[in-house]
Amino acid sequence: GQQLNQSPQSMFIQEGEDVSMNCTSSSIFNTWLWYKQDPGEGPVLLIALYKAGELTSNGRLTAQFGITRKDSFLNISASIPSDVGIYFCAGLANTGTASKLTFGTGTRLQVTL
Amino acid sequence: DTGVSQDPRHKITKRGQNVTFRCDPISEHNRLYWYRQTLGQGPEFLTYFQNEAQLEKSRLLSDRFSAERPKGSFSTLEIQRTEQGDSAMYLCASRMTGGAETQYFGPGTRLLVL
Repeated sequence: GQQLNQSPQSMFIQEGEDVSMNCTSSSIFNTWLWYKQDPGEGPVLLIALYKAGELTSNGRLTAQFGITRKDSFLNISASIPSDVGIYFCAGLANTGTASKLTFGTGTRLQVTL
Repeated sequence: DTGVSQDPRHKITKRGQNVTFRCDPISEHNRLYWYRQTLGQGPEFLTYFQNEAQLEKSRLLSDRFSAERPKGSFSTLEIQRTEQGDSAMYLCASRMTGGAETQYFGPGTRLLVL
């Protein structure tokens, strides 16, 4: 099935550094969601974006809905060890009865002390 | 705990056996989704229900797969004649129609087919 392109695929950063990752699609989405997944667990919702150009924060996390509606960005400021995990973007096209999320390929984040 | 729950969390089975997984959504959510996630990939949509009606099925859902939500509350996903390629994490998510377009996921059932 279709998966959105996320970059980078993985990153090693030091505690305290800021992190940026993005997600791109060939098609338009009406909603963008960002999830974090720990090993062996389900994805946990971090931020939801509903409008092109929207910038939303949740603590140290900030995400933006690209104005083309084909991309989204997630920034994490002042990373801490518990930020380790895999971050997924997901888009919702909302056409007709379609209500399924299309996920990205994931960005694996590792934080060193 | 009022989140989405799934049972079992892990299942090991032999090729050819049937398996059934259960999902209990957040109680007031009338939409329920099943996704499959293989190692190193994001979740992929399988099917979804609005109340008891199954409204969409992915092409990933072969005829060996069947999902039900008989009373519009919990759902089951059955895989018949399992194959090694069915090994994956099966995730369930739920949301409320008319509310925010946010889907909340359960912890998943990890299936290993030997």
